[in-house]
Parts: sequence; structure tokens; C-alpha cells
Amino acid sequence: QSALTQPASVSGSPGQSITISCTGTSSDVGGYNYVSWYQQHPGKAPKLMIYEVSNRPSGVSNRFSGSKSGNTASLTISGLQAEDEADYYCSSYTSSSTRFGGGTKLTVL
Amino acid sequence: QVQLQESGPGLVKPSETLSLTCTVSGGSISSYYWSWIRQPAGKGLEWIGRIYTSGSTNYNPSLKSRVTMSVDTSKNQFSLKLSSVTAADTAVYYCAREGDDILTGYPNWFDPWGQGTLVTVSS
Repeated sequence: QSALTQPASVSGSPGQSITISCTGTSSDVGGYNYVSWYQQHPGKAPKLMIYEVSNRPSGVSNRFSGSKSGNTASLTISGLQAEDEADYYCSSYTSSSTRFGGGTKLTVL
Repeated sequence: QVQLQESGPGLVKPSETLSLTCTVSGGSISSYYWSWIRQPAGKGLEWIGRIYTSGSTNYNPSLKSRVTMSVDTSKNQFSLKLSSVTAADTAVYYCAREGDDILTGYPNWFDPWGQGTLVTVSS
């Protein structure tokens, strides 16, 4: 079961916007509106940031937004802040299973 | 506020069975999906499998032959057993509650997570 494809790293300056992509297939990302995104700081458990493509849990900043087009989902972070520096993972439901992306390291310059 | 806590041996010998328990506090375990996810050091997340409180399970196809999950609603706990472990199974193991689509019931997002527990496979 191969991982969803994410860029290994992205970077941006404070105040800028960045987008992280997550590419799958028609059997996972493209087949369901069940993509979620997680933020993980070093040594910590992942934190849910976006669920079901574009829904934001209570307490998550509105600087985080999600979208999907075809087999690719995207996480956009606007107004970058130093605290956003972390690893980000996407996941997708697929036929009674779940697949994660390989993760993207976000560096805030 | 629901909290999850993993527990179990931190060291397991090769070829033996890894056993972990996740205790749920601050809420009932009933009527939810519960998952196990692992992360080798410096690597990404890997979904292991899920269990519903009825006992129905789904497992990662790549691990299915070695995984067994169970739930004990009286103790608000669910468990993971992974047999025939090797060094490749060394990882931080997380338990998490899985939210589902309110219309379809498909489980598809993880929140909250436990803090994680490191399991090392070594003789």
C-alpha cells in the first residue's frame, strides 16, 4: 500500500502563503471527499488541522484551508508564522483502509 | 475532553508479539472507531488498522496477516497485537479516535491522538 505523494519540503517567509500538495489516485483522494491534514511538531503527536477536504476543527486557525481537485488535495497556510514550522501529513480514506502521505517539512524562513 | 493513553512494553524481542493497550478517558469508547498508527523514527505515519466498538475491524493490507485488534468497552480500552515482529516494526505507536462522515458513516479523520509510545524490537 504505497503512500500518497507529498513534496518533501516547502518553505516560506513570515506573512507569506504556502501550499502543500497531496497526490493520490481515483481510488483514494480522487474517489472520496475524505482527505485530512495533520500538523506534527518534533516529539509531539500529530494534530488534526483539516478534515473532509476543507473542514476546519474548532480551535484551528482560519489561516489553514484545504481543497481538492481530481486526485490532488492541497493544504494552504496563509500569513505564515514561526509556529507553523512543522511536518504536515495528508491522509485519505480508501476502500475500508486509510493511506497517509509521506509528509512535508515546512520551514519558515 | 477525551484523552487517550497508550501503554505496553517498550521492548519486544524479534519473532515475538507486540501488545499495546489504549485507555480512553473523559468520554465513552462506545459508538466510535478507534485506530492504531505508527511512525518509525524520522519517517512518516503508517495506519495499522481500526476497530469499531461492535468489534468489527479493518486492517492495513500490508500488515493484515500479523495484526489483531480488540476492544473492551467495560474498561474503555482497545488493544493491538502485532505478531512475528522484526526490527522494521520499531516505531512510536499512536492510538487515535477516528471521526466519521455524519451522512455515510465512513471513518476518515483522526482526533484526538494519544501521546504515543516507543516500541523497540531488539534481542
